[in-house]
Amino acid sequence: SYDLTQPPSVSVSPGQTASIPCSGHKLGDKFISWYQQRPGQSPVLVIYDDNKRPSGIPERFSGSNSENTATLTISGTQAMDEADYYCQAWDTTTVVFGGGTKLTVL
Amino acid sequence: EVQLVESGGGLVKPGGSLRLSCAASGFTFSTYSMNWFRQTPGKGLEWVSSISTSSNYIDYADSVKGRFTTSRDDAKNSLYLQMNSLRAEDTAVYFCARPSGGESFDYWGQGTLVTVSS
Repeated sequence: SYDLTQPPSVSVSPGQTASIPCSGHKLGDKFISWYQQRPGQSPVLVIYDDNKRPSGIPERFSGSNSENTATLTISGTQAMDEADYYCQAWDTTTVVFGGGTKLTVL
Repeated sequence: EVQLVESGGGLVKPGGSLRLSCAASGFTFSTYSMNWFRQTPGKGLEWVSSISTSSNYIDYADSVKGRFTTSRDDAKNSLYLQMNSLRAEDTAVYFCARPSGGESFDYWGQGTLVTVSS
């Protein structure tokens, strides 16, 4: 099975840039999506196809994917960005998620 | 507006059965494959099952294969998950989600909690 690895937690100060990595074997050969999930809520798609933002997602969210690591970057992080973030890819016919990263804004 | 509303969750004893439903609206349901996911309390997301349009292709995670059955009724704009032989480790919030047309999922339901406990 294919594994995606994320750090359990990342901390950032308000207004600074947060980077959340997601690693996997030859991950750059796949398309990566990123989801934000606040406590008690459903996941929200914030990045798809490595670096595209759905309508309504702020420009401060961006993504990249190369070789074995994909990265979600949040520029000018705000308190409202505090949430869990999950990377996602397909492994043939199976959907795979990273373990999730809790972003703390402090 | 796209909406996905799950229902059918609840408390069930180990070995029991439960049927979840996902009511879709705001888009042409029959033209989309659909998916079930679950999330154990305090843990991460796990894909459960996918069903293609016209139910031609259905796939399951190894953890539920042989126990869960996914189906759809395009006339009712509804997706279903029949869960049999339930185990404690099946306890989770179950979400239905619509694919974006690519490799992501752009709409998710609010989830329904399934608790398997004696």
